[in-house]
Amino acid sequence: AQSVTQLGSHVSVSEGALVLLRCNYSSSVPPYLFWYVQYPNQGLQLLLKYTTGATLVKGINGFEAEFKKSETSFHLTKPSAHMSDAAEYFCAVSDLTQGGSEKLVFGKGTKLTVNP
Amino acid sequence: DGGITQSPKYLFRKEGQNVTLSCEQNLNHDAMYWYRQDPGQGLRLIYYSQIVNDFQKGDIAEGYSVSREKKESFPLTVTSAQKNPTAFYLCASSILGDRDEQYFGPGTRLTVT
Repeated sequence: AQSVTQLGSHVSVSEGALVLLRCNYSSSVPPYLFWYVQYPNQGLQLLLKYTTGATLVKGINGFEAEFKKSETSFHLTKPSAHMSDAAEYFCAVSDLTQGGSEKLVFGKGTKLTVNP
Repeated sequence: DGGITQSPKYLFRKEGQNVTLSCEQNLNHDAMYWYRQDPGQGLRLIYYSQIVNDFQKGDIAEGYSVSREKKESFPLTVTSAQKNPTAFYLCASSILGDRDEQYFGPGTRLTVT
């Protein structure tokens, strides 16, 4: 079964600094990978996704992520943090259930704090 | 606007009572999902459904039940058998066959005392 590990449950950066949120996955098939963002008491919003093709994917709000197969990683970056980026971020990998249905497997999340 | 609605946003119940959380989507998606979110635990899959009148247990189905009588609707009942029902519940939907993204509703925060 697929799994996702997010290194660091809390990350704190200064406004204007680089944001780096780490995600490693395990997958027995070519992975489809996702990053979602969640603001307090809200649902999840898709930031970006990797399915096939270009390994550097760009998403909304200036975020991007690079799929590195050799490292089984899909780290999320943003060159310059903004106060509005403070939220919780979830990495996910597409998986199949025993019955062949599709599902997402999520990491435990990384809470990003942006300091003024 | 297409999307997923969950109601209510906040729900309070006494221990021992069953409670039903609503989830409706107008995205014409075949697949729908229920997740439970607890602090530091990520999202855990409760139930999912790929087609009307069919659904499967996820990783933590004990103490929960669902129905899928219409394509647009996938209500979740939290029964009195669920030992720790207080949590944030998220409903999602997706297109089948693409291994693609899931679209999420705004969530319902359930508090049981």
